Amino acid sequence: QSALTQPASVSGSPGQSITISCTGTSSDVGGYNYVSWYQQHPGKAPKLMIYDVSNRPSGVSNRFSGSKSGNTASLTISGLQAEDEADYYCSSYTSSSTSVFGGGTKLTVL
Amino acid sequence: QVQLQESGPGLVKPSQTLSLTCTVSGGSISSGGYYWSWIRQHPGKGLEWIGYIYYSGSTYYNPSLKSRVTISVDTSKNQFSLKLSSVTAADTAVYYCARGGGVLRFLEWLPSGWFDPWGQGTLVTVSS
Repeated sequence: QSALTQPASVSGSPGQSITISCTGTSSDVGGYNYVSWYQQHPGKAPKLMIYDVSNRPSGVSNRFSGSKSGNTASLTISGLQAEDEADYYCSSYTSSSTSVFGGGTKLTVL
Repeated sequence: QVQLQESGPGLVKPSQTLSLTCTVSGGSISSGGYYWSWIRQHPGKGLEWIGYIYYSGSTYYNPSLKSRVTISVDTSKNQFSLKLSSVTAADTAVYYCARGGGVLRFLEWLPSGWFDPWGQGTLVTVSS
């Protein structure tokens, strides 16, 4: 299975909105509504931010939202804050009942 | 709430077997509905899914690691474990355990691909 494709980096200014894409195939992202997103600060374990494409776990800010169109999922962060600066990873369930991650996107808050 | 903690040697020699255990607290592995997972992160790199196990023993592995990986569960100790054989320097990474989501489909619990919570991670270095 191949890793999902994410941009290596994105950036935005405080208060702005950014979107991170995650592209897979019809055997993973496009085939199931089982895409999740993770935030990872340096030296820390990843934190679940979105599951099942667009659901937010309890305690996650509503500034984070997820969506999917075809084989591409997206994470949008609105009202960008300095604390949002981190690495973000997408993950998808696959047709083989396995999971696959994206390569990760480094978000810089300017 | 559920917490996970990895344990095991931080240094493994090449060609030997890497063994890690994840202890779950605040919830029972046997309660079902979740897939207990191992994920690793090479230094400075992205996340790589290794595999997961249901409390009944059903396992799914990353095809690229399948020939070397064994994940097992000990419900009496509320633990699950990872064994990775024939390690090389390329297996040096931070290893995380995590609780994975499950979904009931066709009267069977199958993985649903999300991971939460995660353990803090443990660095395993492969070196002689």
